[in-house]
Amino acid sequence: DTEVTQTPKHLVMGMTNKKSLKCEQHMGHRAMYWYKQKAKKPPELMFVYSYEKLSINESVPSRFSPECPNSSLLNLHLHALQPEDSALYLCASSARSGYGYTFGSGTRLTVV
Amino acid sequence: KNEVEQSPQNLTAQEGEFITINCSYSVGISALHWLQQHPGGGIVSLFMLSSGKKKHGRLIATINIQEKHSSLHITASHPRDSAVYICAARSTDKLIFGTGTRLQVFP
Repeated sequence: DTEVTQTPKHLVMGMTNKKSLKCEQHMGHRAMYWYKQKAKKPPELMFVYSYEKLSINESVPSRFSPECPNSSLLNLHLHALQPEDSALYLCASSARSGYGYTFGSGTRLTVV
Repeated sequence: KNEVEQSPQNLTAQEGEFITINCSYSVGISALHWLQQHPGGGIVSLFMLSSGKKKHGRLIATINIQEKHSSLHITASHPRDSAVYICAARSTDKLIFGTGTRLQVFP
């Protein structure tokens, strides 16, 4: 298995909702990443987990809450989002931090 | 000025043409990545380079560490090559992304 799987592919949520994005890989990669990408812009790093511990938080608002329950799974919990948070959320993994990335196909999030 | 600059921003080509996309960076890097993103889709990693040249099918990537410059070449371009190509420099634990080159190949 050489993929990063993200679910759901599309998500529409209200500003008062709580939802979660899921990312899974079975390549034995020990670093996992969340990126946010707005239309026609490059991805922006949000969080890095290395060996299941949060190693980088790029000053992301607390309405985004990451979780890494085990080495294969990465979640992003969403609460009280704003319409400007609508974007493509990409997950990636690498064998070790910063080396040889594999990206998922993303979750397209719309906040209404 | 961005730490990673790409040119051109937009590129159109006829099927069969040779394509070159350029990337210059101003930071110290441990590797440079070339990525491909189709509209609305996820990102595919094409190459990771720390020196020299790599080839995969019709794609060739080169890097000159002294000049802090990398190029991505597509030989015999095809409409299915239409996508955004992004160069990203790995510096410490982060990828620093270029702004991307939007390529359209027409039949």
